[in-house]
Amino acid sequence: NAGVTQTPKFQVLKTGQSMTLQCAQDMNHEYMSWYRQDPGMGLRLIHYSVGAGITDQGEVPNGYNVSRSTTEDFPLRLLSAAPSQTSVYFCASSWARGDGTYEQYFGPGTRLTVT
Amino acid sequence: GQNIDQPTEMTATEGAIVQINCTYQTSGFNGLFWYQQHAGEAPTFLSYNVLDGLEEKGRFSSFLSRSKGYSYLLLKELQMKDSASYLCAVTNAGNNRKLIWGLGTSLAVNP
Repeated sequence: NAGVTQTPKFQVLKTGQSMTLQCAQDMNHEYMSWYRQDPGMGLRLIHYSVGAGITDQGEVPNGYNVSRSTTEDFPLRLLSAAPSQTSVYFCASSWARGDGTYEQYFGPGTRLTVT
Repeated sequence: GQNIDQPTEMTATEGAIVQINCTYQTSGFNGLFWYQQHAGEAPTFLSYNVLDGLEEKGRFSSFLSRSKGYSYLLLKELQMKDSASYLCAVTNAGNNRKLIWGLGTSLAVNP
């Protein structure tokens, strides 16, 4: 299994440009999420999905869109990039064990700079 | 409100034992995660506690007291590679997949 993969690893955008951060997992996990991590702010949830066709907003959804057409893929779209979106973006997926606990796996991250 | 507190930084010596504390206040609680994150890398899963008590996994152990809103991560026989940030996160009872994250504790292990 490749686990959770993200592309690209690095990206520089100009203000106003749009782009899509890709995330894929091959573990058949039903739950996927996007976080951003900024110094002094910790990990903040942007959007999440509990299964194909179902998405919902997290703490900081403004400026981002998501879709979940398949179990495997969960892309994050930046509609019009702003310098405040400079951050490290992590995609994660999780599965529930039968005993009520679960594990969440993170992708390697995308470092985005908006100038 | 919802809040998670961890010490910002800790230092320890190679071979020693260190305890990293995490206290939380949430409107609902289901369980608590510990993650390790090396600089420039993604967080990696260490433990998930749902019930009170201590769970041991090799050199790492995690403790939870639900009544006190308190957890700790215990690292034994410290190695240089344990230098990393340790993140505490709790799951909400209403939606146990939406995590609330602490800011992390940066641990420096010195020779």
